[in-house]
Amino acid sequence: AQTVTQSQPEMSVQEAETVTLSCTYDTSESNYYLFWYKQPPSRQMILVIRQEAYKQQNATENRFSVNFQKAAKSFSLKISDSQLGDTAMYFCAFMKRSQGAQKLVFGQGTRLTINP
Amino acid sequence: GAVVSQHPSRVICKSGTSVKIECRSLDFQATTMFWYRQFPKQSLMLMATSNEGSKATYEQGVEKDKFLINHASLTLSTLTVTSAHPEDSSFYICSAENRASGANVLTFGAGSRLTVL
Repeated sequence: AQTVTQSQPEMSVQEAETVTLSCTYDTSESNYYLFWYKQPPSRQMILVIRQEAYKQQNATENRFSVNFQKAAKSFSLKISDSQLGDTAMYFCAFMKRSQGAQKLVFGQGTRLTINP
Repeated sequence: GAVVSQHPSRVICKSGTSVKIECRSLDFQATTMFWYRQFPKQSLMLMATSNEGSKATYEQGVEKDKFLINHASLTLSTLTVTSAHPEDSSFYICSAENRASGANVLTFGAGSRLTVL
């Protein structure tokens, strides 16, 4: 079974700073996806970024980027130039790669607060 | 973009009654949908995988007779909490795969907050 661990329950930074959220996972699968989801106070889950395990290049989406270390089973999220709207719960998640839809396994979450 | 609609967003019911929550994929077909439960300040816990035209697959520890799932069409899955009790109060979230967003990418509904009195 796969497990996802987020060791930082809460983080807080000033607006415009850079922040890195940690995530490690455990799996025996060789083909899989990793995700970071954001859950703001509205509780709507929003996809932030996605990484395919077979791709060595780290995924980036504007101010969001990941540091994917496959051998170490580490998948951290870096948020640059943080904004007040980035305040949310962030969940790291794992999905086995398949032809059909697969379930997501979530980490415990990190509550990120961006202070003005 | 792909939208998953969940209804109702909030529901309050009396202990012993049943409550139905709907999850609809508005602009795509979803042969598989997932139901999660989220307790306050905790992560999402997968309850079951809903398969169109067949029985749902429940995660270990989830009572299938308590949480009835029906996936009667390619755009609708329903979760019915039967004989609800206060401990069933929680936030329930559904998700579905939209291939147009990329394979193995799930789109989530906005969630349904259930309060059982």
